[in-house]
Amino acid sequence: KNQVEQSPQSLIILEGKNCTLQCNYTVSPFSNLRWYKQDTGRGPVSLTIMTFSENTKSNGRYTATLDADTKQSSLHITASQLSDSASYICVVLSIKAAGNKLTFGGGTRVLVKP
Amino acid sequence: EPEVTQTPSHQVTQMGQEVILRCVPISNHLYFYWYRQILGQKVEFLVSFYNNEISEKSEIFDDQFSVERPDGSNFTLKIRSTKLEDSAMYFCASSPGTGIGTSTNEQFFGPGTRLTVL
Repeated sequence: KNQVEQSPQSLIILEGKNCTLQCNYTVSPFSNLRWYKQDTGRGPVSLTIMTFSENTKSNGRYTATLDADTKQSSLHITASQLSDSASYICVVLSIKAAGNKLTFGGGTRVLVKP
Repeated sequence: EPEVTQTPSHQVTQMGQEVILRCVPISNHLYFYWYRQILGQKVEFLVSFYNNEISEKSEIFDDQFSVERPDGSNFTLKIRSTKLEDSAMYFCASSPGTGIGTSTNEQFFGPGTRLTVL
């Protein structure tokens, strides 16, 4: 069964500090891995997308890594800001002929405190 | 920048009633999706739709659910007889295609409709 597991479930950090979120997946076939940011009551917004051959990708203060051999990914937030408070969701895409399918992790809820 | 829109933002209904959730995908996209997120739980795939037919559906998407693209812009999710456990956020998404390139298979999500079944 395709699964995406994230840790920790929640995290509190002080403004300006860094943090790293983890994602492990067992999804087949694997096409790409995305990290989404989801504000409370809103739809997910894509932060990064990485294919099998990409090890790292950055989007501003967000840096994602991917180890396709161990099926692990991480999202690093640098110099956190209050606006970074949100859920961060790891999502793996499987491509099939009739359409693609996203498998979502449970998310890590990040709270940035002043 | 084009975006996926959904209406209404919040729908309250009585158990057993029919509801229709509406979505306007990004205009040049060809693939459409519905997801749901029960409060505090993961986002779950419901159904994908292409070329006016369902291309894939999950076990959640039973006979109580149906989707339609009635005119060329709207994409709807109908729940025929709502149950208490249907209470959730429902997200619509669209993508240009499903190719290998990440730009073609990126899914863009709408803001969601919060469905409350009483």
